[in-house]
Amino acid sequence: AQSVTQPDARVTVSEGASLQLRCKYSSSVTPYLFWYVQYPRQGLQLLLKYYSGDPVVQGVNGFEAEFSKSNSSFHLRKASVHWSDSAVYFCAVSVSGGSNYKLTFGKGTLLTVTP
Amino acid sequence: DMKVTQMPRYLIKRMGENVLLECGQDMSHETMYWYRQDPGLGLQLIYISYDVDSNSEGDIPKGYRVSRKKREHFSLILDSAKTNQTSVYFCASSYRVYTEVFFGKGTRLTVV
Repeated sequence: AQSVTQPDARVTVSEGASLQLRCKYSSSVTPYLFWYVQYPRQGLQLLLKYYSGDPVVQGVNGFEAEFSKSNSSFHLRKASVHWSDSAVYFCAVSVSGGSNYKLTFGKGTLLTVTP
Repeated sequence: DMKVTQMPRYLIKRMGENVLLECGQDMSHETMYWYRQDPGLGLQLIYISYDVDSNSEGDIPKGYRVSRKKREHFSLILDSAKTNQTSVYFCASSYRVYTEVFFGKGTRLTVV
């Protein structure tokens, strides 16, 4: 069974500063990895995904994430945040496994960008 | 335009009433999901559907049932709603079980 841990429930950064949101996963096989963002009163939207290959994946709105098999991590980064990036960010992991499949989400990190 | 549509967006029901939450998708996705989201608990999977009439329990199926008679439509039913089922319910779909998931905007259900 897989699991996802987002160790930071809340992160506050200043506009223009760099950002890293942490995600650690546990899985018996190399999983598929995702970052989703949720704006207020909205559903989750995909930011980026990792299936295989280059460990650094680019997403929308300047976000990127780096997969590390040795650290079992998939941290999200952005070089310069904007106030509109304030939202809840979810890391998720899935493995293909027929009837035992499930997509597992972390509990989310609330990002607040201050002026 | 690829989307998952949930109806209604807001719903207030009395304890003991039956509740029907509807979900549709226009992407011909095989797999559909129902999640609930509660503060501090993140997203919890209620049911997953692999295709028409091929449904499987998720992590918290108790008190819920689902119906999928057409690939594009997936319903969540609460028989005799309880106050602890007050939550935001998200429907989602994906092409395959392990590919990216598309979410609806959610239904905020309040059981009083």
